[in-house]
Amino acid sequence: GESVGLHLPTLSVQEGDNSIINCAYSNSASDYFIWYKQESGKGPQFIIDIRSNMDKRQGQRVTVLLNKTVKHLSLQIAATQPGDSAVYFCAESEGDDKIIFGKGTRLHILP
Amino acid sequence: NAGVTQTPKFQVLKTGQSMTLQCAQDMNHEYMSWYRQDPGMGLRLIHYSVGAGITDQGEVPNGYNVSRSTTEDFPLRLLSAAPSQTSVYFCASSYSTSLGSGGYTFGSGTRLTVV
Repeated sequence: GESVGLHLPTLSVQEGDNSIINCAYSNSASDYFIWYKQESGKGPQFIIDIRSNMDKRQGQRVTVLLNKTVKHLSLQIAATQPGDSAVYFCAESEGDDKIIFGKGTRLHILP
Repeated sequence: NAGVTQTPKFQVLKTGQSMTLQCAQDMNHEYMSWYRQDPGMGLRLIHYSVGAGITDQGEVPNGYNVSRSTTEDFPLRLLSAAPSQTSVYFCASSYSTSLGSGGYTFGSGTRLTVV
């Protein structure tokens, strides 16, 4: 079946730099996308979401970009902090019912 | 406001045993889902529900049953446990999947080992 995937399993970023986490999706009918953060030993935590009729959405220190032409989603984290160290998942939904997750990218913050 | 409560937190089962993983939410959320997460992997959807009395299969439903008799509760039943079901199980709920709704709220997980 179709699935959400990620380009890189691990991303290392210098503290204070911006982080960009990428995600490719294959279901062209998906119309709702979400980014989640999962810290060790905890359940995923919602970060930000975006609809397919949008290209960009901003939150506090985070921005999600959606490129429907190439079916690509990215999460930008400004001024990365040690507390941003976690695994980040993109997830997609078609028709507003089930949410399908990708495999995740681990963000490692360098001091 | 407890959010999403999962019990138990840890469980060891013998192959062939059955058990029920409990999930309860006190936020009056319509949407509830069960996911499993294997080491180094993402979350895979087992079953989900869009309201009381309504359930549907996710990506990996085999070996699991669910029911949704009330808005608050969404138990997951393992019919005959197998070692392949060793995993961390997460329950999640949401009042909506619309933009800005805050997405799913997840429980803290149940770590299940089948020997």
